[in-house]
Order: sequence, then structure tokens, then C-alpha cells
Amino acid sequence: TQLLEQSPQFLSIQEGENLTVYCNSSSVFSSLQWYRQEPGEGPVLLVTVVTGGEVKKLKRLTFQFGDARKDSSLHITAAQPGDTGLYLCAGYNTDKLIFGTGTRLQVFP
Amino acid sequence: GAVVSQHPSRVICKSGTSVKIECRSLDFQATTMFWYRQFPKQSLMLMATSNEGSKATYEQGVEKDKFLINHASLTLSTLTVTSAHPEDSSFYICSAYTGGGDYSNQPQHFGDGTRLSIL
Repeated sequence: TQLLEQSPQFLSIQEGENLTVYCNSSSVFSSLQWYRQEPGEGPVLLVTVVTGGEVKKLKRLTFQFGDARKDSSLHITAAQPGDTGLYLCAGYNTDKLIFGTGTRLQVFP
Repeated sequence: GAVVSQHPSRVICKSGTSVKIECRSLDFQATTMFWYRQFPKQSLMLMATSNEGSKATYEQGVEKDKFLINHASLTLSTLTVTSAHPEDSSFYICSAYTGGGDYSNQPQHFGDGTRLSIL
């Protein structure tokens, strides 16, 4: 079973702080995706990283794929209350999308 | 963009009732759809892969007689929770990708989920 472990599990910070969420596996993935989910809704795709060492930026969010394609990170600069939500990494195991354990982020004003 | 619609968004019913949840791809055809289950404060767990015109593929530990999946058309998959009990209460989410080519680079399009509460 390919497991995607995320850390930290919970993160509670003040507006304006920076944070990093990690997604780690012992398996190699051809690509990894990051999603954000708000309560009562389905997850929404933020980014897909496909090349080892790749860095993608989405406004204040920076995503990195590890060189060995076993891990990824999400860095948020100057977090805002609107960033609050459940962040999920996910990778494909054959044709099935497997989700990470999740990181619940709360940003206080 | 690709839209997946899930209905109903919330169901509250008595123990022993069977509940059907629909998942529709509104503007694309989906030969494959996926059903996930999410417990409070946890991640999504894949339950089964729904294939149009054939039997669903269930993940280990998921009872196929309990969670009936039918994928009768390229735009509709249904999940029926049979004889539901309180432990079946959860958030159920479906998804689909447009398919074709390298799926690993394609996004999954998710429905907004169905919150099932069994009393």
C-alpha cells in the first residue's frame, strides 16, 4: 500500500505567518497533486507537480516536488484567514488517486 | 470547466433505510468515476472505482453488497448504501476525470459531497 503521510496534522497560526506542509511517501510517484477542501465541500485541485525537483508557484503558495519524486511540500507565505482549510496531497497508484493523511490549517485574523 | 454534480447534498434517515446518492458529470463523459468516504477530520478514503457498463472495483475492506454501485451511463454513477446503520454515517464524495491519455497528469473533478446521517 502506498501511503502518503502529511505533517503536521494540524496547524493553527496567526495571519501573516509563513508555513510549510509536508507530504512524504516511501514510494515513487509519477506526479503528485495538492488539493484544498473546505467543510461540506469536495476537494479543489491547487496544483499538479510532475517533474522531480519541480517548483510551482500559485500566488502566495509554493509547491515543490522532491528530486526522487517521493515527497512534496507546500509553502504558504503571509497566510490569510481565507487560507483556512484541509490541505491534501494525492498521488496516483495505477489509475486510483490516493490521498494523503491531510493537514488541517486554521489561520486566525 | 468540468463539473461534477452530486445529489443529494445531505440525507438524514432512519436505521435500516437504503439511500441512493447520484454523481453526474455535467459537461463531459466519464467512463470512470470514483467514490470516496470521509470521516470527520480525516482524509478521503477510496471506496470503489465505478466503470461504465461493467462492475465496480471495490477497495479492500469495502463491502460490495453494502455499497452498491451502478454506472449505467457515461454521465451518471450511483452509490446505494443498503440497510444503512449509524456507523455508515459519513461524508461521501464522488469524482471523475475526463479520461484518455496519461491520467496521472489529469485532475480529478470532485462533487461537493453528500453528508449521510443515519439515526
